[in-house]
Amino acid sequence: EVQLVESGGGLVQPGGSLRLSCAASGFTFSRYDIHWVRQAPGKGLEWVSAIDTAGNTYYPGSVRGRFTISRENAKNSLYLQMNSLRAGDTAVYYCAREGDSSGIDAFDIWGQGTMVTVSS
Amino acid sequence: EIVLTQSPDFQSVTPKERVTITCRASQSIGSRLHWYQQKPDQSPKLLIKYASQSFSGVPSRFSGSGSGTDFTLTINSLEAEDAATYYCHQSSDLPGTFGQGTKVEIK
Repeated sequence: EVQLVESGGGLVQPGGSLRLSCAASGFTFSRYDIHWVRQAPGKGLEWVSAIDTAGNTYYPGSVRGRFTISRENAKNSLYLQMNSLRAGDTAVYYCAREGDSSGIDAFDIWGQGTMVTVSS
Repeated sequence: EIVLTQSPDFQSVTPKERVTITCRASQSIGSRLHWYQQKPDQSPKLLIKYASQSFSGVPSRFSGSGSGTDFTLTINSLEAEDAATYYCHQSSDLPGTFGQGTKVEIK
């Protein structure tokens, strides 16, 4: 079964750090670009970061310089290192697989999400 | 950043009715527009990619159309299990952006 499973969420104080993981199974992980997307409680979806098959990384301005996405193909794993966390980073974080069409494709597989709460 | 605006924000519909959700982009994105369904306490699921291509396993009552800046998701003959929030998503350029969502409630 093609699957993504996130872990590592939890409660962290403002200014703190957290590292999320995403374990992939059922497909050749190294052949796909992978993204992180978050959803604040009761809100919509927000793209957080992406890493392509060559290891190039991409971020929106809201997290650039604070978040770092990485991957370890040998372990079929994706990571998101989050530093200098703010209350506004509170959300469910999903990892999502991008389809393999040219350019930026749709997200065809999503994990179940992991909750990150930033609060004192 | 490309802004996607969905309408309506909320729709209450009786079973077997047709539902139409629109998504307007702030600039032309060709056909790089995708639709997702998210049920309560679940992760999003891909329904339609590249404006009109149905994703594998998605019921045929879901269809998409449009190009450039105006797109539509149609649900023909709504079923109770279709109660969810629907999001459009553009992949024309980074940052990838999503519409604000349209919540569909079953009367």
